[in-house]
Amino acid sequence: EDQVTQSPEALRLQEGESSSLNCSYTVSGLRGLFWYRQDPGKGPEFLFTLYSAGEEKEKERLKATLTKKESFLHITAPKPEDSATYLCADFLAGNKLTFGGGTRVLVKP
Amino acid sequence: GAGVSQSPSNKVTEKGKDVELRCDPISGHTALYWYRQSLGQGLEFLIYFQGNSAPDKSGLPSDRFSAERTGGSVSTLTIQRTQQEDSAVYLCAIGGPTYGYTFGSGTRLTVV
Repeated sequence: EDQVTQSPEALRLQEGESSSLNCSYTVSGLRGLFWYRQDPGKGPEFLFTLYSAGEEKEKERLKATLTKKESFLHITAPKPEDSATYLCADFLAGNKLTFGGGTRVLVKP
Repeated sequence: GAGVSQSPSNKVTEKGKDVELRCDPISGHTALYWYRQSLGQGLEFLIYFQGNSAPDKSGLPSDRFSAERTGGSVSTLTIQRTQQEDSAVYLCAIGGPTYGYTFGSGTRLTVV
């Protein structure tokens, strides 16, 4: 069974304090790993797709990396506007995403 | 997000009543998905429509749940005889793995 686990569940950071979020998955044959940002009362907003181990993608203060069993979302020098829940999801076949439980990030000024 | 409109944004219903949730995607997208986000649980897949193919209903939790997509555009998710455990945010999405999925803002359903 495909399982996606995110850690930590919650993260409190001071503005400028860099950190990393973890997303681990259990199945082989991964076809894609997605990262989303979700703000309260809104749907998830697409950030990145990673397809193969060793791949990295960057957007502003965010950088996503992928290994064979996990992905990391690095937040460099975060600002309060980076506060959100970050979701990862893997994609096997059948066009279904399997989501992790998310990491709630709070960046304090 | 831009490209997917869901209505209503909030719905409160009494236990046992039927509800209909609507998803209106921007035109030109053949793939449409429904997900459910419950408190304390991650998003879970419900159903997937692709063009004129038979929908993938493998994620529907019970036969009280059904969905249709008319004319390859608007989709309606229907929950019959609602139960309290149906309370959740129901999200509609378009797109696919190549360019990412775009989600709507969801319908928050509360069953009292």
